[in-house]
Amino acid sequence: DAGVTQSPTHLIKTRGQQVTLRCSPKSGHDTVSWYQQALGQGPQFIFQYYEEEERQRGNFPDRFSGHQFPNYSSELNVNALLLGDSALYLCASRDRGGARGYTFGSGTRLTVV
Amino acid sequence: GQQVMQIPQYQHVQEGEDFTTYCNSSTTLSNIQWYKQRPGGHPVFLIQLVKSGEVKKQKRLTFQFGEAKKNSSLHITATQTTDVGTYFCAPRGYGGSQGNLIFGKGTKLSVKP
Repeated sequence: DAGVTQSPTHLIKTRGQQVTLRCSPKSGHDTVSWYQQALGQGPQFIFQYYEEEERQRGNFPDRFSGHQFPNYSSELNVNALLLGDSALYLCASRDRGGARGYTFGSGTRLTVV
Repeated sequence: GQQVMQIPQYQHVQEGEDFTTYCNSSTTLSNIQWYKQRPGGHPVFLIQLVKSGEVKKQKRLTFQFGEAKKNSSLHITATQTTDVGTYFCAPRGYGGSQGNLIFGKGTKLSVKP
């Protein structure tokens, strides 16, 4: 199926390390957003990419950065990991208008120890 | 910034009972989307509401958008065990928030068979 693909599915990192998460959007979608979801909470918006540029950003520090490639795939990078960065990281894509909603990937479960 | 409040936070019902979750915003919304997240899963798009006073139905689910476009509700008639999950409202507000979704904490629904 041509849904959103995220890798890896699970990851364990040590405090202070850096991590890169990857996302391939749904076929036909050109806008990618990243969300952080802590246990029992709603997804928190990190940033959104369109035409290879960061278009909007949520309330996250500069340790969180991203990139979008010409094929619309995207990466989320987190530097200097903190224990509090442990969460489910969700990638979501949509088409230009967004009226059919966002399609979410299954997420990457990041554990920082 | 844009904030939404969902109530209740938790709802436990007997199978066959009805269920309603409410979403309230402090500011006027351009539109609102609803998502369902099953336990251990990722958010799945249910519907988008755009017009003031809009009502949309999907089988046993009824979605409403308030006349002032500051609140919304999701009503499920005769719940089934397959309805279990967390329901999120996710508005897209005015004033520069176009494009990204802002999720509430959600309403976690459990259904006792």
